[in-house]
Amino acid sequence: QKEVEQDPGPLSVPEGAIVSLNCTYSNSAFQYFMWYRQYSRKGPELLMYTYSSGNKEDGRFTAQVDKSSKYISLFIRDSQPSDSATYLCAMSEGSNYKLTFGKGTLLTVNP
Amino acid sequence: KAGVTQTPRYLIKTRGQQVTLSCSPISGHRSVSWYQQTPGQGLQFLFEYFSETQRNKGNFPGRFSGRQFSNSRSEMNVSTLELGDSALYLCASSLFGTSTDTQYFGPGTRLTVL
Repeated sequence: QKEVEQDPGPLSVPEGAIVSLNCTYSNSAFQYFMWYRQYSRKGPELLMYTYSSGNKEDGRFTAQVDKSSKYISLFIRDSQPSDSATYLCAMSEGSNYKLTFGKGTLLTVNP
Repeated sequence: KAGVTQTPRYLIKTRGQQVTLSCSPISGHRSVSWYQQTPGQGLQFLFEYFSETQRNKGNFPGRFSGRQFSNSRSEMNVSTLELGDSALYLCASSLFGTSTDTQYFGPGTRLTVL
């Protein structure tokens, strides 16, 4: 079993839809949780960073962490064509700065 | 402020050869991490350097090595290339490489092994 599981999609939604992206993990030592966005032919860029269980909101993006279920989510409200990208969840134990990534979900938002 | 730069952007090599990739971090950043990205395995951590010392290492064979210079620039080397080494190699920098630091990724070097 991989440490981090993420549905690769692809996911195709109409503009304005609410998008839900999810990852599950098996390593209880993970303490820090991140979502990265990667456009084609670019490096990943950090979208959201959370430490504790609960919700964190930033504009149209909400990150949710449930440590008891080992489950994290990213919600995108009012999705835009410019949100079309691969979304990667990432986690670290905190004792060292090694990120463990999910394989990424390819999202397409259609105008 | 300039971002993370990686050179070269594209590289084609043949099996058995060796390759060196370069990464220049954001000015002031002292931690540099390297990742390999493939369609099958996704993004996998290779190693992390801070102040010229390797602090963390992923599960890759010894053919993969790296170093960091006093100006924080980093290089990674892959010897005796195999077909399976074809991948996007990403470098990321952060201030101190702590868990609360943001890692900024470069655009990557696309390596093709024939």
